[in-house]
Order: sequence, then structure tokens, then C-alpha cells
Amino acid sequence: EPEVTQTPSHQVTQMGQEVILRCVPISNHLYFYWYRQILGQKVEFLVSFYNNEISEKSEIFDDQFSVERPDGSNFTLKIRSTKLEDSAMYFCATAMELGGSPLHFGNGTRLTVT
Amino acid sequence: SQQGEEDPQALSIQEGENATMNCSYKTSINNLQWYRQNSGRGLVHLILIRSNEREKHSGRLRVTLDTSKKSSSLLITASRAADTASYFCATDSGSSNTGKLIFGQGTTLQVKP
Repeated sequence: EPEVTQTPSHQVTQMGQEVILRCVPISNHLYFYWYRQILGQKVEFLVSFYNNEISEKSEIFDDQFSVERPDGSNFTLKIRSTKLEDSAMYFCATAMELGGSPLHFGNGTRLTVT
Repeated sequence: SQQGEEDPQALSIQEGENATMNCSYKTSINNLQWYRQNSGRGLVHLILIRSNEREKHSGRLRVTLDTSKKSSSLLITASRAADTASYFCATDSGSSNTGKLIFGQGTTLQVKP
């Protein structure tokens, strides 16, 4: 069964550094999402992306965050200047369609900001 | 409370017993979904129930939806040690038309062999 692939599985970075998290969506999926999960907490929506543009973003997704699909395959989440509170698991998810299509999640990237 | 709140927060049962988890939400929904998460892994979709459905089955899973009470339950019958995981409900309100899901806090299920 096709999978959503995320790299790296674990990223350690220093506060203030830029990080890029990568996701390879399932090939025929059109809707892409980033979620994050701080340790022990709920999964939180960050941003949705469709047709090469952001369709919705949460309050968490401030100017330090950006997403793009530079080559038509990889879907990336960039954090420009990481903060300690950005430490979390970041999950990419994709869906084939809206209105009842389940999300397919990758295994996540554990980001640790020191 | 926030959209998609599960109870109990933690549940410990013996193998072979049934496990019931509940979810409450606040806004109207298009559908409600249940996901499973093994420790340190991504979420796996289990079952989706639409707002016009009341009950749905998939293998050992049974989901109910009561839109008048804004609540759902997930029943796992004849549990196995491999069912040990966290279970999350997630709602699609459809208001944003982006497919965004709002997740609850989750129920941590431990099935003892």
C-alpha cells in the first residue's frame, strides 16, 4: 500500500537555526497537510496545501513557518528560526479528495530544538 | 472543553475484553474519524463515519455517532495485546472546505496479555 514518507525521522537543531522537514506524498493525492504533536499532547493542525498554495493555516503557523512543493513531488515545511517550543513531532498527511477521504499520515519527524 | 475530547484518557483491560472509548465535540460536522497511533509513530486511519450515519462496523471495530449529543464511541471487541495504542477521534467540520481535521486528546489503551 502506498505510504507517505517523511525525512528525516529525527532532527536536532540549535535555537535560531532553520530546519526543513520533507515529505513525499502518495502520488495521486492532491491535498497536503502538516500537523504537529508536542510530547504528550494532542495532534494540532498547522497548515493545509492544495494546488500549490496554502488553503488554510492555524494560529501556530506564523511568519516563521512556510511550506512549498518545489519540484512537484516533495512537500516541505520550513521553520526559519527555531524556538525551544517548536520541539515536537511533525506529521505530514495527504488525502486524495475532500469530504470524506481519510488522511494518510507519515511516521513523522521528531524535531528537538536545544 | 475543546472540539474532540475523548474519555477515558487511559484505559487498561485484559486481552479478550472489549474496550470502549468516547469522543465529544462541539461544532457541527461533516464526518468523524478515528485514528490509532502506536508509540512514536504516525496516525493510522481506522474508520470514518459521516454525519448522516449512526453506526459503522469494520472488523472488530464498531463506531457510533449521535449528532444530537455531539458524541461518538469506538468499541474494540475481543481486544488483543496488539491493540495497545493511543486512539484519537478527529472531526471534519467542513466549514473551511480544506479537509482540516481537529483531533481530540486521545485515549491511551493498554491491553494486557
